[in-house]
Amino acid sequence: AQSVAQPEDQVNVAEGNPLTVKCTYSVSGNPYLFWYVQYPNRGLQFLLKYITGDNLVKGSYGFEAEFNKSQTSFHLKKPSALVSDSALYFCAVRDMSGSGNTGKLIFGQGTTLQVKP
Amino acid sequence: SQTIHQWPATLVQPVGSPLSLECTVEGTSNPNLYWYRQAAGRGLQLLFYSVGIGQISSEVPQNLSASRPQDRQFILSSKKLLLSDSGFYLCAWSPGQSNQPQHFGDGTRLSIL
Repeated sequence: AQSVAQPEDQVNVAEGNPLTVKCTYSVSGNPYLFWYVQYPNRGLQFLLKYITGDNLVKGSYGFEAEFNKSQTSFHLKKPSALVSDSALYFCAVRDMSGSGNTGKLIFGQGTTLQVKP
Repeated sequence: SQTIHQWPATLVQPVGSPLSLECTVEGTSNPNLYWYRQAAGRGLQLLFYSVGIGQISSEVPQNLSASRPQDRQFILSSKKLLLSDSGFYLCAWSPGQSNQPQHFGDGTRLSIL
């Protein structure tokens, strides 16, 4: 079965320090992977995606993610965290089950990032 | 550019009352459309998706229904709301290509009294 796991409910970092939010996945075939951020009472905002090519993907707001096929991981990273990065982060993988092109995503449960000044 | 609109932003309804939430997309055609529910600011539950006008797929049995009367309009409805229908409802769209992300509206906070 296809799935996405975000093993940490919450990640705490100090402003200016690097941050990592972890994501592992399980799919058949090549994965299409996505990261989203959600601020309180708002919808999800797309940050970045991995489809193919370079394993290091750069996205919005200075975020990047590293695709690791052998470890089936797609961790979100940022070299220097800002207080304004505090939010809920979701990893997702394209659902390849069934027929047709539905564009459905399988989401992880989310990780709350807390950046302390 | 493409935009997605959801309304209302917040809604308070009594148990047993009907519901209609609307979502529209601008700047694209033939989008895939999705309704999600998010409980307590955590995980997302896909409720319905649609790949074309009049084509609705339900992901979970429930008290809700969805309709797509026009290409870029997606409506979430209920005839009689339950307390358990409370939550944050999100609409999203994506192009037909499977390598493109979904894009979300700003959601509707639904409280059932």
